[in-house]
Amino acid sequence: EVQLLESGGGLAQPGGSLRLSCAASGFTFKSYAMTWVRQAPGTGLHWVSAISGSAATTSYADSVKGRFTISRDNSKNTLYLQMDSLRAEDTALYYCAKSVATTQYYYFDLWGLGTLVTVSS
Amino acid sequence: QSELTQPPSASGTPGQRVTISCSGSTSNIGSNFVYWYQQLPEMAPKLLIYRNKERPSGVPDRFSGSKSGTSASLAISGLRSDDEADYYCSTWDDSLSGPAFGGGTKLTVL
Repeated sequence: EVQLLESGGGLAQPGGSLRLSCAASGFTFKSYAMTWVRQAPGTGLHWVSAISGSAATTSYADSVKGRFTISRDNSKNTLYLQMDSLRAEDTALYYCAKSVATTQYYYFDLWGLGTLVTVSS
Repeated sequence: QSELTQPPSASGTPGQRVTISCSGSTSNIGSNFVYWYQQLPEMAPKLLIYRNKERPSGVPDRFSGSKSGTSASLAISGLRSDDEADYYCSTWDDSLSGPAFGGGTKLTVL
């Protein structure tokens, strides 16, 4: 079955860290760029970060640049998001999503159900 | 704060046609394709329209997209109760160097 399954969310203190994972199945993982998109409670979608199929290129939204690191392990069909120096405004449901291309990430044809990150003391 | 502007809500009765607008700028909609996603309650977003007006396999032709200048719209004809969802427009933003999303429009079927 073609699917994405996120994990790793939870409660973190301000300044703390979390590592999100996204396990992919049912498609050739290394052939597609992947992305993280977040949705704060009651609000819309916001792009966070993206990585090419080979992991050669990465990109970040200004709001997370220098604090979050995206990576992938194509041998394990898994996408990661290392989140450091967390802030209250990082509280959101984090979705991983699959691009339709190897190096570009204009739009996404497969989404996971999300993992909830709460940053609070 | 979103780079793309959508009405927060829209509504219609079963069988009606509704349209959801999405307004942007020359750095996003004006120079790139527009995409639409449907998010049913408590579900992940689903791709509804790509490249302004194309439908992925399985999306009924009741859903149609269009773009003109720096604006785009999603039309839903023959409205059904299971169309109740949040709808998001999206496009590449040259200033962001990444995808931008609208704030979402909550569609209610009365």
